[in-house]
Parts: sequence; C-alpha cells; structure tokens
Amino acid sequence: NAGVTQTPKFQVLKTGQSMTLQCAQDMNHEYMSWYRQDPGMGLRLIHYSVGAGITDQGEVPNGYNVSRSTTEDFPLRLLSAAPSQTSVYFCASSYSGEWAEAFFGQGTRLTVV
Amino acid sequence: QQQVKQSPQSLIVQKGGISIINCAYENTAFDYFPWYQQFPGKGPALLIAIRPDVSEKKEGRFTISFNKSAKQFSLHIMDSQPGDSATYFCAARRYKLTFGGGTRVLVKP
Repeated sequence: NAGVTQTPKFQVLKTGQSMTLQCAQDMNHEYMSWYRQDPGMGLRLIHYSVGAGITDQGEVPNGYNVSRSTTEDFPLRLLSAAPSQTSVYFCASSYSGEWAEAFFGQGTRLTVV
Repeated sequence: QQQVKQSPQSLIVQKGGISIINCAYENTAFDYFPWYQQFPGKGPALLIAIRPDVSEKKEGRFTISFNKSAKQFSLHIMDSQPGDSATYFCAARRYKLTFGGGTRVLVKP
C-alpha cells in the first residue's frame, strides 16, 4: 500500500536550473496539492488540483508550474530555480474536496545554491 | 500574513506531563480544524480534528479544545510519552487547508 510517493527525496540545484518534482498516488484520489514547508511558516499551499486536467493556484504559486494529465500523477515544475525556493516540498492527496484528511508523501528536500 | 497563528514554536515536557499547543485564527468562515503530527523525515499525518459546533474532542491521550468566540483552539497531549516527540501542526479549512507554523515537541524520558 504505497499511498503518496514523491521522488526524488533529496535534490541540489544550481540557480537558474529547472527540474520536476514527481508525485504519484495509488488511492484513486481526485484531489491533490503541493505544499512547501519552511521553518516557522508551516505548510504553504503552492498549487492544487481537483481532478485530471484541472489545476489552480494556491498561496505561493510564483516560480512553479503544475499539470494533471492523470488521476495518479501531479508533478511540480520549477522553471528557473532560485535560492528562495530552498525548502521541503510535500505532495498531498485527499478523497474529497473537503480535505477532511490529507495524505502526505514523505517530502522532497530541495536546496538551490 | 499567517491566517492561523500557532504557539509555542517549541516545547519540552517531561514524560508523563501535559503538552499544550495553541492556535488562533481570524477567518470565521473556517469550518474544520485538524491537527497533524509529523515525525522527522516523514510527511504530516492527521492526528485528530474538530468542527466548530463542538467545544472539545478527545481521542486517547489527545484532546482538542475549541473556543469559537475567542477564535482559538488547542491541542492537549496528556501523559506525554517520548514517542510523542514530533512536530505538530494545527490547520483550518475553508475549501482548502491553511496550516499554522508548527510546534516542535520534545518529551524527555
């Protein structure tokens, strides 16, 4: 029972590089989201999706792109990495739009130098 | 501007003691208030949750107290154990989840 799987677990990027953080869930959840976790700031919503083909911006979307071509996958793309994007990124999914329970992946620790 | 303010940022408690974490919110449209527990290297996991029409909810050693008029809610961990050492996040929902800043709890044996 995999749940929500994120890859990679760790990544170091140089400023200006681009990359994609992968997220996959096997629970057939329609709702998925990306958060970033920074010390003292909790988890802040970057982008979210309410189903395949439908995405929307969260609280801190600048510098990130998402797409949702399948129910299972919700990749997060960093277009041109900046040191301010150094953070731990979490993908989450939920079986309903009420987000009564969010299931989180184990996170991707990203460092931009 | 954080919509959900959480305090303290960290706390240390002796085994068997009570851990208390407080959260305050401004948006009265929030309709659901969960707490998440996160162990190092792991993603957060739902611990306990409450709706605003209830003043208290208890699950085992974990209790949420909710004060709607004060727009505050808190998590009490009774008989704290070393295995409770983790970071705890409060959250509030209005269509989406908004998280507090987190509290790192250390339970000393």
